[in-house]
Amino acid sequence: GAVVSQHPSRVICKSGTSVKIECRSLDFQATTMFWYRQFPKQSLMLMATSNEGSKATYEQGVEKDKFLINHASLTLSTLTVTSAHPEDSSFYICSGGRDGTDTQYFGPGTRLTVL
Amino acid sequence: GQQLNQSPQSMFIQEGEDVSMNCTSSSIFNTWLWYKQEPGEGPVLLIALYKAGELTSNGRLTAQFGITRKDSFLNISASIPSDVGIYFCAGQRKTSYDKVIFGPGTSLSVIP
Repeated sequence: GAVVSQHPSRVICKSGTSVKIECRSLDFQATTMFWYRQFPKQSLMLMATSNEGSKATYEQGVEKDKFLINHASLTLSTLTVTSAHPEDSSFYICSGGRDGTDTQYFGPGTRLTVL
Repeated sequence: GQQLNQSPQSMFIQEGEDVSMNCTSSSIFNTWLWYKQEPGEGPVLLIALYKAGELTSNGRLTAQFGITRKDSFLNISASIPSDVGIYFCAGQRKTSYDKVIFGPGTSLSVIP
């Protein structure tokens, strides 16, 4: 159990367009989901904490108007990169935790390339 | 802010050798986690540690939660080619609802 999926797995878009990435917990409910960004050869950096039914909490330096997060249900959180630029090209990974455990389960990631 | 350090940064070892890597923090964590990431994939949880001093094994992997709660190590015995990847340590201050802070990773290469 504890499977997290992401869609799409890869996306290429033009500069200035918006891209939506979905994160789903397939076999558990996740009250809280997290969004991370990973640049090549670097570690995962937390962008924001997404809480079902409430506003996301963003880490310092992450623009909330650029990275829109919606946690509409206990199994779905979405990240929308608005007006994407080449510097937004990265690997975006989400995670979620099951109630009563201390373990975060990660999705397979979404590779975003902005031309 | 909270920061994790991992050593070594990279390792090249012969198949069959044992591997040891560690992770230190400037602050206390109540949960220590070890993940493995392969190219183009998300991190996969290897071992989770919840108690200071805890020693936990998962097959050929063994990890320990340091007594000071500021460090952890991961050992891999009898390495095989499929052990190749980047190993991240990570810490959580509180529960599954708390954010996971990742270390910079240790890149492991196994020479057949």
